Amino acid sequence: KQEVTQIPAALSVPEGENLVLNCSFTDSAIYNLQWFRQDPGKGLTSLLLIQSSQREQTSGRLNASLDKSSGRSTLYIAASQPGDSATYLCAVQGAQKLVFGQGTRLTINP
Amino acid sequence: NAGVTQTPKFQVLKTGQSMTLQCAQDMNHEYMSWYRQDPGMGLRLIHYSVGAGITDQGEVPNGYNVSRSTTEDFPLRLLSAAPSQTSVYFCASSYSDRMVAFFGQGTRLTVV
Repeated sequence: KQEVTQIPAALSVPEGENLVLNCSFTDSAIYNLQWFRQDPGKGLTSLLLIQSSQREQTSGRLNASLDKSSGRSTLYIAASQPGDSATYLCAVQGAQKLVFGQGTRLTINP
Repeated sequence: NAGVTQTPKFQVLKTGQSMTLQCAQDMNHEYMSWYRQDPGMGLRLIHYSVGAGITDQGEVPNGYNVSRSTTEDFPLRLLSAAPSQTSVYFCASSYSDRMVAFFGQGTRLTVV
């Protein structure tokens, strides 16, 4: 059974810092890995999708990497801003379903 | 550009009542799914559909029914609500199970 773990569960940093969120998964037989953002009381917004054949994807200040053989992904956020405060979820795509980690709650302090 | 629309946003039910959570998407996506989100449990798949007329069970299907008569709509039915079904429910859609998933805003359900 696929299990996804995100560390840390919560992170608080001052504005302007670069930071890394971690995601690990137990079964390397995945189609892709997706990073989502969830604001309080809201739905999930897709940030980046990395196909299993890719090593990384970039969108603006976000960069996600994937090491399928070791079962790890990282989300790098450059020059963090208060508007980046949210919960970040990673999810691995297997046959017919996404398996989610429990998220990292990120707070950026002005 | 509506995306994935869920109704209602909030609902309180009494134990034993039934109800239907609505989900509609306007992106012509074949793949649709329902998740529930609980503290400490993350999001878990309830049911999914790969196209009109085709549905299947996910990880936690007990107490829920689904049907998919059109590409656009994928309602989730609670047959006899129980307090254990208190949760936030999310509907998602994508072109396939290997593409970016789009989520609705969620339905917060409380069963008393």
